[in-house]
Amino acid sequence: TAGITQAPTSQILAAGRSMTLRCTQDMRHNAMYWYRQDLGLGLRLIHYSNTAGTTGKGEVPDGYSVSRANTDDFPLTLASAVPSQTSVYFCASSDSLAGDTDTQYFGPGTRLTVL
Amino acid sequence: GQNIDQPTEMTATEGAIVQINCTYQTSGFNGLFWYQQHAGEAPTFLSYNVLDGLEEKGRFSSFLSRSKGYSYLLLKELQMKDSASYLCAAMDSNYQLIWGAGTKLIIKP
Repeated sequence: TAGITQAPTSQILAAGRSMTLRCTQDMRHNAMYWYRQDLGLGLRLIHYSNTAGTTGKGEVPDGYSVSRANTDDFPLTLASAVPSQTSVYFCASSDSLAGDTDTQYFGPGTRLTVL
Repeated sequence: GQNIDQPTEMTATEGAIVQINCTYQTSGFNGLFWYQQHAGEAPTFLSYNVLDGLEEKGRFSSFLSRSKGYSYLLLKELQMKDSASYLCAAMDSNYQLIWGAGTKLIIKP
């Protein structure tokens, strides 16, 4: 199975433009997550979804939005990109229900540069 | 606040043993995870500890002391392919992972 796929692999985006990062999992996991990873910092949670139809804010949600219309897909949208959103974005999923400790599995990442 | 501390970089020799330490402070605690991340790739799961003690999994072992807010990852018989970053993450009372910045492990022949 593919596990988790992300698209695009990398992107250069002009400041002020919008963009959607795509994430799809084929493991039927309940929970999905979006993280950003910046040099010298730990992974930081942007948004999460414990189950289809629900979403929640993580540590750094400003400037980002998500939706979870079905179990498999969890797109992340930047409405108006700014240079500080230059980062590597990882999508992850786990078979957790709320209040569970299952392992998170990560997609390959999207490297985004905002100029 | 919540915080994870781990060394930025470590160097070890092929065939040797290395211990990567991690200390954590979180609001509540629901376990400690270790992930491996090769350069340019996604993190991959290595281990999970929620009870005090040592968990052994092949060449890798992970230890947890909840009273000390401390964990370590022990890698034995180091191989060149073990060159990677090792990420420590603690799960807080909301079942969210709080991540350390990672320890870059350099293996020399």
